[in-house]
Amino acid sequence: AQSVTQLDSHVSVSEGTPVLLRCNYSSSYSPSLFWYVQHPNKGLQLLLKYTSAATLVKGINGFEAEFKKSETSFHLTKPSAHMSDAAEYFCVVSANSGYALNFGKGTSLLVTP
Amino acid sequence: KAGVTQTPRYLIKTRGQQVTLSCSPISGHRSVSWYQQTPGQGLQFLFEYFSETQRNKGNFPGRFSGRQFSNSRSEMNVSTLELGDSALYLCASSLRGAPEETQYFGPGTRLLVL
Repeated sequence: AQSVTQLDSHVSVSEGTPVLLRCNYSSSYSPSLFWYVQHPNKGLQLLLKYTSAATLVKGINGFEAEFKKSETSFHLTKPSAHMSDAAEYFCVVSANSGYALNFGKGTSLLVTP
Repeated sequence: KAGVTQTPRYLIKTRGQQVTLSCSPISGHRSVSWYQQTPGQGLQFLFEYFSETQRNKGNFPGRFSGRQFSNSRSEMNVSTLELGDSALYLCASSLRGAPEETQYFGPGTRLLVL
């Protein structure tokens, strides 16, 4: 079965410094992987997705992620954090059976001034 | 294009009651999925509908049910509510529900069971 593990439940960075949110996946074949963000009291918004095209995926708001098959990783990065990036981030994989998404437990990103 | 809408946004019920939540997908989207979000269990898949047919179901008791109408709008029902059903219920839509498609999420319905 497809699954993802987010390696950090909380990450704290200073404004203007790089962001790294780590995600490992488990899949029997090439998966479709996503990063979603959830701001407080808001729904989920797609940041970016990987669907077996380019391994370096660029998303919205300056985020990007690299699919590394050898490491089974799909880490999310951003060169410079903004205060508005403070939110919950979810790494997600499409289920093998189709028609469902399997979510990681989430990483809470705190951005300090 | 209007996004996914969910009604109501907030609900308070008591144990033993039942509740119905509604979801209107993005126009043209025929796949609708439901997820439960709780602090302890995170985001868990409930079920997915396409063209009025349930194609997949998560590991939830039979008290949780859903349906989809011919206009792709969907409802989910929870009968005999338990305290543990308190959660944010999220609906998502996509064109066909294929694995590579983006799922667009609504703002959710927050259910509190007392």
